[in-house]
Parts: sequence; structure tokens; C-alpha cells
Amino acid sequence: EDQVTQSPEALRLQEGESSSLNCSYTVSGLRGLFWYRQDPGKGPEFLFTLYSAGEEKEKERLKATLTKKESFLHITAPKPEDSATYLCAVQAHSGNTGKLIFGQGTTLQVKP
Amino acid sequence: DAGVIQSPRHEVTEMGQEVTLRCKPISGHNSLFWYRQTMMRGLELLIYFNNNVPIDDSGMPEDRFSAKMPNASFSTLKIQPSEPRDSAVYFCASQGHGETQYFGPGTRLLVL
Repeated sequence: EDQVTQSPEALRLQEGESSSLNCSYTVSGLRGLFWYRQDPGKGPEFLFTLYSAGEEKEKERLKATLTKKESFLHITAPKPEDSATYLCAVQAHSGNTGKLIFGQGTTLQVKP
Repeated sequence: DAGVIQSPRHEVTEMGQEVTLRCKPISGHNSLFWYRQTMMRGLELLIYFNNNVPIDDSGMPEDRFSAKMPNASFSTLKIQPSEPRDSAVYFCASQGHGETQYFGPGTRLLVL
């Protein structure tokens, strides 16, 4: 069964304190791994797509990496506006190729 | 582009009533997804349309739920009769020729 597990569930950081969020996955053939950001009361906002092990993508203070079993979202020198829930999702090659399977998310709070 | 548009943004109804949620996908996108988000189960795919045709409805909880896509610019998700356990945030997402799904702002449904 395809599955996504994110850790930790919640993370509190001081402004400027770098850290990483983990997304472990089990999927029958990875088509793509997606990172989204979700602010309270809003829909998920797309951040990155990763397709193969070793791939990395960056956007401002965020960097996403991918291995065959997990992905990391590295946050460098975070600011309070980075506070949000970060969602990881996988899309499999087999079956319904449109379906995204989401993890439960990591809620990040960055204090000034 | 205005992005994915959903209405209503909030809905409060009584058990047994019919509820209709609406979605307008991003112009030119050919795939549309309905998701449900709860604290317990996170984001779950309910149904997926490609070129207005339902491809995978395995996530629809039961016969009380139905979805239609009469044309490329409009979809509805109907719950009849509604139950308190249907209370959740319902998201619509659309996808073009790439793999990225873009989410709407969601409809917060409360069934009393």
C-alpha cells in the first residue's frame, strides 16, 4: 500500500534557526514527490516537485531533496513568515496516475 | 488567472439536508480533483476527472456523495443526505499538462 509519513508533527524554531522536515514514503513506482505549503484557512500552495533520487530544488530559504525512501525539506535561516503546515505527497506510476497521497503534514512555527 | 475558484467558502447545514459544493478549475486545465481534509485523516482524494470524465471515484465515502463535471469549467460535489461526520474542508484542485495540482481555497462544511 502506498503511504507517506511526515515527521515531526510539529516544529518550533527561533528565527534564523535552520532545520529539516522529513517525508518518508512507500510507493509502487514513484512518478513524483510534491511539497506544498498550507496556511491556516487556505488551500495547499505548490512548492516543489521532485522526480528522481538525488534531485534537489530550491526556492528562497527552502531546499527539497529526494532519496529512494524519503525527502527532506531544509529550511535555512527561517523567518516568522515561513510558519505554516508543510505537506508532502507522492504520485505513483501505477493505477490512477493523477492521485496524490498526502502525509499528515508538519506544522512549523518560527518565533521572532 | 484567478486560480481555482470554489463556492461557497463556508457552509453550515443541518443533518439530512442536501449540500452542493462548486468548483471552477483553472482555464485550460484538463484534470480536476476533489479532496477532503480532516484532522484525523488529513487530505484524501475523493474523485478525479480527466477531460470531464470520472476516472477514479474509489475515494467517495458512500452513495450519499456524488460528483459531476458537465463541462471543462465547472464541477459539483453533492452530499445528500448530509451527516455530521461529513464536516470537513473540501478542496478542489486542477491540473494541466504537467503533474502539478493547484488547489482552491476550500469549502468549510459544518453539518449540525
